[in-house]
Amino acid sequence: NAGVMQNPRHLVRRRGQEARLRCSPMKGHSHVYWYRQLPEEGLKFMVYLQKENIIDESGMPKERFSAEFPKEGPSILRIQQVVRGDSAAYFCASSPPRGGTNTGELFFGEGSRLTVL
Amino acid sequence: DQQVKQNSPSLSVQEGRISILNCDYTNSMFDYFLWYKKYPAEGPTFLISISSIKDKNEDGRFTVFLNKSAKHLSLHIVPSQPGDSAVYFCAASPFGATDSWGKLQFGAGTQVVVTP
Repeated sequence: NAGVMQNPRHLVRRRGQEARLRCSPMKGHSHVYWYRQLPEEGLKFMVYLQKENIIDESGMPKERFSAEFPKEGPSILRIQQVVRGDSAAYFCASSPPRGGTNTGELFFGEGSRLTVL
Repeated sequence: DQQVKQNSPSLSVQEGRISILNCDYTNSMFDYFLWYKKYPAEGPTFLISISSIKDKNEDGRFTVFLNKSAKHLSLHIVPSQPGDSAVYFCAASPFGATDSWGKLQFGAGTQVVVTP
């Protein structure tokens, strides 16, 4: 499967615990984006990363949320001390670098559904 | 601040007929528009896109129309098929204006139900 891979697909956490969501981009893609979808809403941009760099984190909540995309391994979205309002579907998307084969679309994974009890 | 709006949360259409989904945007910096289709418990799948230098783009049964002066775009699906039943999201990007072009602004989605 050469698509964007996310895991876990489902995650249940109690309030105050930590959630870690992982995303492996499509082969050849160096740009990773995280989006969040709350119930009955559209997807909301959270953060844009390239390898070892956070390019734009303007959509990230100021506290408890962090993201990384290390030189080796998947991108990780980390939520510390989760609260019920963090319950949502978290989608990762990837794209190739701008130009060349870039058609302007993002390729999405199947999402990680976080439930906070 | 909702910069992309899909004012119809749902649409029911008979198989074989045309589905028309509408989308409005407010930000003049947007110059690239995309439609994504989403089934329950799956990620969004790219459907079709249009650049602001065009007013129409067609791909098989799907056509997107862009009216820049009205800041309005629409997706036409003809003929509609039962497999088209899904949530459709309109998204916009300032593709030419910024390095954060992948920072898409999504509408809230329109649930399409195609009945036999």
